Amino acid sequence: QLQLQESGPGLVKPSETLSLTCTVSGDSISGSNYFWGWFRQPPGKGLEWIGNIYYSGSTYYNPSLKSRVTISVDTSKNQFSLKLTSVTAADTAVYYCARVAAPWGQGTLVTVSS
Amino acid sequence: DVVLTQTPLSLSVTPGQPASISCKSSQALLHSDGKTYLYWYLQRPGQSPHLLIYEVSSRFSGVPDRFSGSGSGTDFTLKISRVEAEDVGVYYCMQGTHLPHTFGQGTKLEIK
Repeated sequence: QLQLQESGPGLVKPSETLSLTCTVSGDSISGSNYFWGWFRQPPGKGLEWIGNIYYSGSTYYNPSLKSRVTISVDTSKNQFSLKLTSVTAADTAVYYCARVAAPWGQGTLVTVSS
Repeated sequence: DVVLTQTPLSLSVTPGQPASISCKSSQALLHSDGKTYLYWYLQRPGQSPHLLIYEVSSRFSGVPDRFSGSGSGTDFTLKISRVEAEDVGVYYCMQGTHLPHTFGQGTKLEIK
């Protein structure tokens, strides 16, 4: 059964870089014809797409975040990662990874605060 | 960006009664590959979104057949034929045809 699990710091200081990793089990990133993506949801608000990556490394980003976002894949570890630079309080959210369009991971809350 | 407008934003339904949620897109969602990438998700309280419907009308694995999706172009609908207590939560439509992918505002369903 395909499962995804996000991991990374739950607290990041303003202006620093948010880094999260998604570990995939039950399927091979390199062996599947799917996109793998990151989404986020600020507390009490709706969902936002951050970006997608294909196993080959092709990436697609939300223009609203594009200058600050990098998504990468490590097929040897069956993981893909998110980096978001220069974070502010507005980046506080639950971050989800997913095989587009399903399933999603359980999500991890990242708070931006000093 | 494509704007998805969901209506209603909230609804209260008696168990066993039907429910319907509309999702209207600011642009047609037919992709050049011939598919329409319109999805419906349910986010139960405290959980991550769970896919119900993909490509307008295909039920995802394990989704009860009381859920159905329909529509084309810019107008789409999710219907629940008989609401059950486990259906409470927030329903979102999402489009994957155009970049950036976008979501509707969400529709909160509660049980009367």
